[in-house]
Amino acid sequence: EDQVTQSPEALRLQEGESSSLNCSYTVSGLRGLFWYRQDPGKGPEFLFTLYSAGEEKEKERLKATLTKKESFLHITAPKPEDSATYLCAVLGGTASKLTFGTGTRLQVTL
Amino acid sequence: GAVVSQHPSRVICKSGTSVKIECRSLDFQATTMFWYRQFPKQSLMLMATSNEGSKATYEQGVEKDKFLINHASLTLSTLTVTSAHPEDSSFYICSASPGGGGTEAFFGQGTRLTVV
Repeated sequence: EDQVTQSPEALRLQEGESSSLNCSYTVSGLRGLFWYRQDPGKGPEFLFTLYSAGEEKEKERLKATLTKKESFLHITAPKPEDSATYLCAVLGGTASKLTFGTGTRLQVTL
Repeated sequence: GAVVSQHPSRVICKSGTSVKIECRSLDFQATTMFWYRQFPKQSLMLMATSNEGSKATYEQGVEKDKFLINHASLTLSTLTVTSAHPEDSSFYICSASPGGGGTEAFFGQGTRLTVV
């Protein structure tokens, strides 16, 4: 059974204070690892897909990396508008449905 | 990215009544859509997989007679919460993948259901 564990559960940063969110996974044959951002009362917004170890993707202040066991979402010089819950999900084996982690609630203060 | 539209965004209904939630893929066809439920400060819980032209596949513990799913076209899936009770109050979200079930999924805006 695919498993995804995200840490920390919650993270509070000051504006400009860079940090990383972790997503550890166990899956039989990774077909894709996905990062989403979710604002309160909204559906998840797609950020990145990573397919193989060593792959990296960037979007503005966010950078996602992937190893064989975990993925990191690096946030560089965050701003208050980056405050949200960040969700990690995997698709493995012959599955057609995503397995989600419980998310990291990020708060960026001035 | 692809656009998935969900309607309504909020609904309040009386206990015992039924509520229908629509999920549309606006710029792609989706043979498969997914319905999730989310409790406060928790992650998404998959309820069922909606398959165009065939019966939905429900996750263990989800009552298929209470949560009716219809996927009548390649761009529309509906979730009907029948005989709603206060414990059905929750945030319901749908998703679809332009490339089928094996690629990134795009989510609707979610529906906040309150049963009074």
